[in-house]
Amino acid sequence: EAQVTQNPRYLITVTGKKLTVTCSQNMNHEYMSWYRQDPGLGLRQIYYSMNVEVTDKGDVPEGYKVSRKEKRNFPLILESPSPNQTSLYFCASSLSAGGAYGLSYEQYFGPGTRLTVT
Amino acid sequence: AQTVTQSQPEMSVQEAETVTLSCTYDTSENNYYLFWYKQPPSRQMILVIRQEAYKQQNATENRFSVNFQKAAKSFSLKISDSQLGDTAMYFCAFMKHPRSEGKLQFGAGTQVVVTP
Repeated sequence: EAQVTQNPRYLITVTGKKLTVTCSQNMNHEYMSWYRQDPGLGLRQIYYSMNVEVTDKGDVPEGYKVSRKEKRNFPLILESPSPNQTSLYFCASSLSAGGAYGLSYEQYFGPGTRLTVT
Repeated sequence: AQTVTQSQPEMSVQEAETVTLSCTYDTSENNYYLFWYKQPPSRQMILVIRQEAYKQQNATENRFSVNFQKAAKSFSLKISDSQLGDTAMYFCAFMKHPRSEGKLQFGAGTQVVVTP
């Protein structure tokens, strides 16, 4: 089954304790992205990756790191989590990183990770 | 920068009735994509419908249709024959083309509650 998976689905942690949220897709997609969802703000992009070893900042990158060593995986790293990073996190992927019209731009979302930082 | 505005935080509709969700956006781009996503209580993000700005014809997917007014920068979603399973948060989203960074710009969302 074609899908985007995230782990863990739920996480409660304390301020300053490093954590990683994993994201994996089995569709051979080039493009991957992380979003956070907060009430009243919708989803906002944190980081994105056009392909392996190519990553760039989105709208709210502060406090986060990412890496793209393999095409299928795009982990989100919080080196020193703070309470303002309590949020619902989504990973997404799409086939193409290019500009062609067509369904290649459609983004598939993972199930979400609920993170609470106390 | 693009902004997406959904002015209705919550809407209630009875089963079998029709509800229309509004979305406006601000952009200087001429080519772009617009989307409506549904987020049920499971939190999964589900693509409901998409519209390419170069297409004049409004997109339709079964009971879901859009009214795309490019000059007014408006992109409303109509849900016909509402069903209990339509209860969800609905997000309007914008993506510029070509996709330099592939970013979806989301509105704040509209909570739709379908009542029996």
